Amino acid sequence: NAGVTQTPKFQVLKTGQSMTLQCAQDMNHNSMYWYRQDPGMGLRLIYYSASEGTTDKGEVPNGYNVSRLNKREFSLRLESAAPSQTSVYFCASSVTLQHNYGYTFGSGTRLTVV
Amino acid sequence: EDKVVQSPLSLVVHEGDTVTLNCSYEVTNFRSLLWYKQEKKAPTFLFMLTSSGIEKKSGRLSSILDKKELSSILNITATQTGDSAIYLCAVEGTSGSRLTFGEGTQLTVNP
Repeated sequence: NAGVTQTPKFQVLKTGQSMTLQCAQDMNHNSMYWYRQDPGMGLRLIYYSASEGTTDKGEVPNGYNVSRLNKREFSLRLESAAPSQTSVYFCASSVTLQHNYGYTFGSGTRLTVV
Repeated sequence: EDKVVQSPLSLVVHEGDTVTLNCSYEVTNFRSLLWYKQEKKAPTFLFMLTSSGIEKKSGRLSSILDKKELSSILNITATQTGDSAIYLCAVEGTSGSRLTFGEGTQLTVNP
């Protein structure tokens, strides 16, 4: 039971570089999410996808783009990384937006931008 | 905009102590409140509280929702070192249909 799988687990980028964080779930969930977690600020929603083919901005979308490639996969792209994007990124999924059992989270990607 | 505030932000106790973590919220059309435990990596689901289920218990952990006061508490009795973690509170409103998280409470249980 893999659940939600994120890659990579760690990444160091130079300012201005681009990268894509990958996320895949094998639970047949419809909705997927990207959060970032910074000390003292909890989890903040970047983007979400209610269902395959749809994406919407969350609380802190600036500097990011997403792609819902298919029902299983939801990727997060940083086009031009900035030090302010140093954070831990979590992907999550749920059966639907109106979930009944909470979200399932991936193990996170620790990103450092220097 | 939905808002969740947790207190305290940090707490250090000794094994065997009982702790109470607090969560207050402002949300449009409240639907549910959730508690998560986060150790080194991903948050893991503990409880979900709704208007029809305002009290949940699992072993030494229990949680109550107070819809009048727009708050919830998470109680942990007879704490163990394995309870050391960040405890996250999140709320969902019907209008937003996504979870809004609080800052988390960092609990440290010393032997």
